[in-house]
Amino acid sequence: EVVLTQSPATLSLSPGERATLSCRASQSVSSYLAWYQQKPGQPPRLLIYDALNRATDIPARFSGSGSGTDFTLTISSLEPEDSAVYYCQQRHNWPPVTFGPGTKVHIK
Amino acid sequence: EVQLVESGGGLVQPGGSLRLSCAASGFTFSSYSMNWVRQAPGKGLEWVSYITSNGNTIYYADSVKGRFTISRDNAKNSLYLQMNSLRAEDTALYYCARGLTGDPLAWVGWGQGTLVTVSS
Repeated sequence: EVVLTQSPATLSLSPGERATLSCRASQSVSSYLAWYQQKPGQPPRLLIYDALNRATDIPARFSGSGSGTDFTLTISSLEPEDSAVYYCQQRHNWPPVTFGPGTKVHIK
Repeated sequence: EVQLVESGGGLVQPGGSLRLSCAASGFTFSSYSMNWVRQAPGKGLEWVSYITSNGNTIYYADSVKGRFTISRDNAKNSLYLQMNSLRAEDTALYYCARGLTGDPLAWVGWGQGTLVTVSS
């Protein structure tokens, strides 16, 4: 089973700042890595798939990069509505599909 | 617009059973693989099960294998999860999820979830 680790666990930044979230896989997942955003009381929302492709209607301030075992989600200029938990998910070596534990982004 | 509405959750005693349903609309249900994903209270996401569009291929997480059964009825645009021998650790919000066209595991459509509580 591929284990995903995310860092940092919590990120506290001000509006307009740049957020960099990391996801590391225990073995290569090629580019089969997605990012989800989840706000309290809501289901997850797909942001990025195949490591760097933005899903429909996702703002351009969200971008993904990486391949193999190291991936990054960047939010170029934080907005107040970006306060959420962000999960990475791999689907290369499956089943099972696995998720990272999440990074909580707090907007000051 | 993709709409997924889960139902069937509730309070059940350990060892009991529940059947979850997911009603789909806004897309051609019979053309898409579907998944169940769960989230324990205050915890992260856990994939539970997957079924192809025609039901011929099914996968389960090890944590539910032998206890849960996924199925679908394409004529009714519905997905199901039969849960038997429930344990306290199955307590979670259960989501059904649909993937992108051509990528069944990048989940772009989610329901609001149905809460399953296993407790005596």
